[in-house]
Amino acid sequence: QLQLRESGPGLVKPSETLSLTCSVSGDSISSSGYHWGWIRQPPGKGLEWIAGIYYRGTTYYNPSLKSRVTISLDTSKNQFSLRLNSVTAADTAVYYCARHIDGSAVVAGYWGLGTLVTVSS
Amino acid sequence: DIQMTQSPSTLSASVGDRVTITCRASQSVYSWLAWYQQKPGRAPKLLIYKASNLVGGIPSRFSGSGSGTEFTLTISSLQPDDFATYYCQQYNSYENTFGPGTKVDVK
Repeated sequence: QLQLRESGPGLVKPSETLSLTCSVSGDSISSSGYHWGWIRQPPGKGLEWIAGIYYRGTTYYNPSLKSRVTISLDTSKNQFSLRLNSVTAADTAVYYCARHIDGSAVVAGYWGLGTLVTVSS
Repeated sequence: DIQMTQSPSTLSASVGDRVTITCRASQSVYSWLAWYQQKPGRAPKLLIYKASNLVGGIPSRFSGSGSGTEFTLTISSLQPDDFATYYCQQYNSYENTFGPGTKVDVK
C-alpha cells in the first residue's frame, strides 16, 4: 500500500531555507512512471500547488514560487525533497507531498499526512 | 493566471439532501478540472478528475460535470461522512490553480 510521509523542521527563521523530504513506501519513485510533488495550505486557507517532478527528473514549478523552489529526487532512498529559499511568514503552511495521478504532473491522487512549517524568528 | 471561483462558499444541508457545488474558471480549462474533499486536520482526497471521472473507491453518489468555464460537483444523497470542504482545481496547464473551497456543514 502506497504511503508518503513528510519530514523536516517545523520551525524556520525568516530569510532561511525550508527543506522537506517525502519518504515513499509501497512504490518506487524511480520506476513507477508517476509524477511526485508538493502542495501547501496556509492555516485556515486554501490549497496551493508548489512543484512536481517526473520519475525521470523533469521538474515543474508554480510560476509564483519558481524563483525560490527546488524539487529533487533521491532514488537511492526512495525519497523526494523540496527546498524553498528566502522564506517569510507567508510561507507558513501545512506542506503535503503527493503522488500525482497517471499522466498528470499536478493532480494529486495520493497524499501524505502533511507537516506544519512555521516561519518565525 | 486562471482564476477559480466556487459557489456557495458555505452550504448547509441535511443527510439525504442532493447537494450541488459550482466551480467557475476565468477562462476555458476544457475538461481539465479535478475535485477534492478535505476534512479538518486531514489531507485532501481526490474525488474526480477530468471533470467527470470518478476516482476508484469513491462512492457513486459523487459525480462531476461541465466543461469550459463552468463545472459542478453533485452529491446525490448526502451522507454523514460527506460533511467537509470541497475544492476544485483546474489543470489546463501545469500552471494549475485551486478554487477557494466550499464548506458543506450540518443544517
